[in-house]
Amino acid sequence: GQNIDQPTEMTATEGAIVQINCTYQTSGFNGLFWYQQHAGEAPTFLSYNVLDGLEEKGRFSSFLSRSKGYSYLLLKELQMKDSASYLCAVRDSQAGTALIFGKGTTLSVSS
Amino acid sequence: GAGVSQSPSNKVTEKGKDVELRCDPISGHTALYWYRQSLGQGLEFLIYFQGNSAPDKSGLPSDRFSAERTGGSVSTLTIQRTQQEDSAVYLCASSATQGVAFFGQGTRLTVV
Repeated sequence: GQNIDQPTEMTATEGAIVQINCTYQTSGFNGLFWYQQHAGEAPTFLSYNVLDGLEEKGRFSSFLSRSKGYSYLLLKELQMKDSASYLCAVRDSQAGTALIFGKGTTLSVSS
Repeated sequence: GAGVSQSPSNKVTEKGKDVELRCDPISGHTALYWYRQSLGQGLEFLIYFQGNSAPDKSGLPSDRFSAERTGGSVSTLTIQRTQQEDSAVYLCASSATQGVAFFGQGTRLTVV
């Protein structure tokens, strides 16, 4: 089976740093993705990890530990526009490589 | 096309009617996914097509739901005898084999 866990909600202030954690249990593993979804819009791709370590892309970074089944998304210098849902998704190699999503973390950024 | 296109963007239907939702993937993408998202919820996997392989239908919630992909491109998700609990946003995504999945804007289905 597959299980992907993320916190339901997080709050932070402008300019701060926030870390959104994701733990997963899947039969196989072939990559972990982070997506951003603003209310009423489609998810948009943020980052991809398939090997252990940190991937940095501007204000956003994503970390993966395959042995621990753990990832986090780090958002720096938060802006109001970062208020959105952040979705963790795992490509399960034992599930025909379909992409399975967690329930998402709603981040609220205040001034 | 430049992106994933879904139609219609909104659909209101009466309980018991059948509906068809269409997805045009990005040209050349071999993988196509359907998800359902209820209000305030995460993405629920429905079905996955990869090339000419048999689709992974493990997420379809009941036998009222079916999907096909013709010619390895356009896909249609059909819901028969719609129920109020089918009301949700239906999202389609496509990707190159094991690549990043890109989403369409979704079809908002309301069953009244």
